[in-house]
Amino acid sequence: GAGVSQSPSNKVTEKGKDVELRCDPISGHTALYWYRQSLGQGLEFLIYFQGNSAPDKSGLPSDRFSAERTGGSVSTLTIQRTQQEDSAVYLCASSLDLGGAYIQYFGAGTRLSVL
Amino acid sequence: KQEVTQIPAALSVPEGENLVLNCSFTDSAIYNLQWFRQDPGKGLTSLLLIQSSQREQTSGRLNASLDKSSGRSTLYIAASQPGDSATYLCAVQSSWGKLQFGAGTQVVVTP
Repeated sequence: GAGVSQSPSNKVTEKGKDVELRCDPISGHTALYWYRQSLGQGLEFLIYFQGNSAPDKSGLPSDRFSAERTGGSVSTLTIQRTQQEDSAVYLCASSLDLGGAYIQYFGAGTRLSVL
Repeated sequence: KQEVTQIPAALSVPEGENLVLNCSFTDSAIYNLQWFRQDPGKGLTSLLLIQSSQREQTSGRLNASLDKSSGRSTLYIAASQPGDSATYLCAVQSSWGKLQFGAGTQVVVTP
C-alpha cells in the first residue's frame, strides 16, 4: 500500500506481558516517529528515527519501552512488562524532509488494552 | 517548555456555517505548524502545513493562518458540511519534525 501500515490494529494483553507493535512506513521516507494517544494525555511524542542517526528517545516514558528500526524501514515498538497505564493508541508516522517541512503521514494506529 | 492549547474544546454548528478553530503556543521558536483531522478510530490526516516564514496556507475550503509573534494559528473552514465532523488537531513542529500537539477541537456539523 501507499500509506503507513501498522499492525496489529488491536491488541489485548494481560498486565506483565510483553508486546510488540509494528510500523511499515511509506517507502522512501527517511524519518519515522512513534506517538501515543491516551485519554487525558492527548497525543505525545515517544521516539524518532532519521536515517542512520541515533534515535531521539526523549519521549519514552520508562525503560520498559524500546524501539528499533531495521534497515531504515520497518520499526518495532516493544513494551515490556505492560501496565494498565500503557493502554492507549500507539500511532506511527513517517515523513520526508521537504526543505525543512516534515509533512508527517500517520498510520491508523494500534489500540493497546492492558487488562 | 512548549505548550499548545486549542480553543474551543468542542464546537457544534449547522451545515453551511463557517468554522473557526484556534490554536495557541507558548514558544514562538517553531519551524512549522501543522493542522490535522482525526476521525473516530482512525489515524491523523494532514490538512495543512504552514512553514514559519509563511503567514497562511489554503487548500480548497480550508485556510490556516500563522502569527508566530503572538503564538497563534487559526484554521478556517468555509461553508461547513456534515462530512467535516471530526476532531481537529494542531501541532507545532521542531527543526527535525517532532510534533507537539494540542488537545484538539471536536467539531460536529449538523445537517
